Amino acid sequence: KAGVTQTPRYLIKTRGQQVTLSCSPISGHRSVSWYQQTPGQGLQFLFEYFSETQRNKGNFPGRFSGRQFSNSRSEMNVSTLELGDSALYLCASSLVQGGGEQFFGPGTRLTVL
Amino acid sequence: KQEVTQIPAALSVPEGENLVLNCSFTDSAIYNLQWFRQDPGKGLTSLLLIQSSQREQTSGRLNASLDKSSGRSTLYIAASQPGDSATYLCAVYTGGGNKLTFGTGTQLKVEL
Repeated sequence: KAGVTQTPRYLIKTRGQQVTLSCSPISGHRSVSWYQQTPGQGLQFLFEYFSETQRNKGNFPGRFSGRQFSNSRSEMNVSTLELGDSALYLCASSLVQGGGEQFFGPGTRLTVL
Repeated sequence: KQEVTQIPAALSVPEGENLVLNCSFTDSAIYNLQWFRQDPGKGLTSLLLIQSSQREQTSGRLNASLDKSSGRSTLYIAASQPGDSATYLCAVYTGGGNKLTFGTGTQLKVEL
């Protein structure tokens, strides 16, 4: 069974631009969560989607948004990029919503110049 | 607000040693606790998941225990190998926030 896939793996953007990251969960998994990982703040929860609905949101500004499609694939969008948005963005999928075992993808490394 | 602490932050041991990584959390009202490893620049690999009603889980050379009332979990690695070198993260799922809260990790180096 294929694992969680994320595209692209690496991105370089400049301040003010916007970016869209994609995540395909494990087949059959309907929950997708997004996390941001930085050296200073560690891993922080962004949001969780289940059945195309955002179920929970972390403490991030409105520039961070996401959506989930009917096939459970998810996208995350960051608008008006700031230098501090440089991070590894990780997506995790789970069979159930809320509390299921989380399986992570390899991440997208975003660098904002 | 749930806070998760991992001690030690870094650990260097010779190959073959048995070792214990510690994780503590402030809010004992958790659904489950999950241990992960992360290799440099990579995603997280799930190692063990312990439900709140369980006391321990085992997988190969790994054993994780959970004492929910005291807010502690330990990951025991038997007969460590250089391939075990990675950062180990624990994370707790708390119903109130409906999310995983991660610790800051223990960076493990196993030397030949």
